[in-house]
Amino acid sequence: DGGITQSPKYLFRKEGQNVTLSCEQNLNHDAMYWYRQDPGQGLRLIYYSQIVNDFQKGDIAEGYSVSREKKESFPLTVTSAQKNPTAFYLCASSIPYRGYGYTFGSGTRLTVV
Amino acid sequence: KQEVTQIPAALSVPEGENLVLNCSFTDSAIYNLQWFRQDPGKGLTSLLLIQSSQREQTSGRLNASLDKSSGRSTLYIAASQPGDSATYLCAVRFIIQGAQKLVFGQGTRLTINP
Repeated sequence: DGGITQSPKYLFRKEGQNVTLSCEQNLNHDAMYWYRQDPGQGLRLIYYSQIVNDFQKGDIAEGYSVSREKKESFPLTVTSAQKNPTAFYLCASSIPYRGYGYTFGSGTRLTVV
Repeated sequence: KQEVTQIPAALSVPEGENLVLNCSFTDSAIYNLQWFRQDPGKGLTSLLLIQSSQREQTSGRLNASLDKSSGRSTLYIAASQPGDSATYLCAVRFIIQGAQKLVFGQGTRLTINP
């Protein structure tokens, strides 16, 4: 079945450490997105990519980095510069034409310890 | 600024009732609107996608309507069941200067009581 796979499901980060969240899709979608979800704040866009080797900052990109070397993969690195990284992270993909909807992965919960 | 609002924030009803969830948005320049379901600690599951040229979409007990001119959408759930308990999110794909942006509402947390 086609879909989006996020790993790991749970991730713990020590202070000052960088961690990378994985997102892989086999839907042949051109566009991929990373969202952060906090209680009471809804989903906020971190980064998005509409084509391989290109990506754009979203609304809350500070402290995060991404790469898009393959169409199927869009990993997110949470750097030590992100002061409040504890959150639920969701990856999504879509075909960037007006008629298509978004498909989401199952999420990664990141906790600072 | 493009914004999406969902009212109410939480709703609790007895099993078997029909119910309506509301979504409003600030700009009529949209590509489409998508309703999602989210269970606690899980990702988002797409329920219905309505294009800007459509008035409604149906899937089983779910019916979503779209009134682009008034900036409103409703999700109607018929004969509610305890398994329908979840958070329901509305997401609007806005047209912004030829580009697009998906904006989410904050969701309605639905509880169906047996």
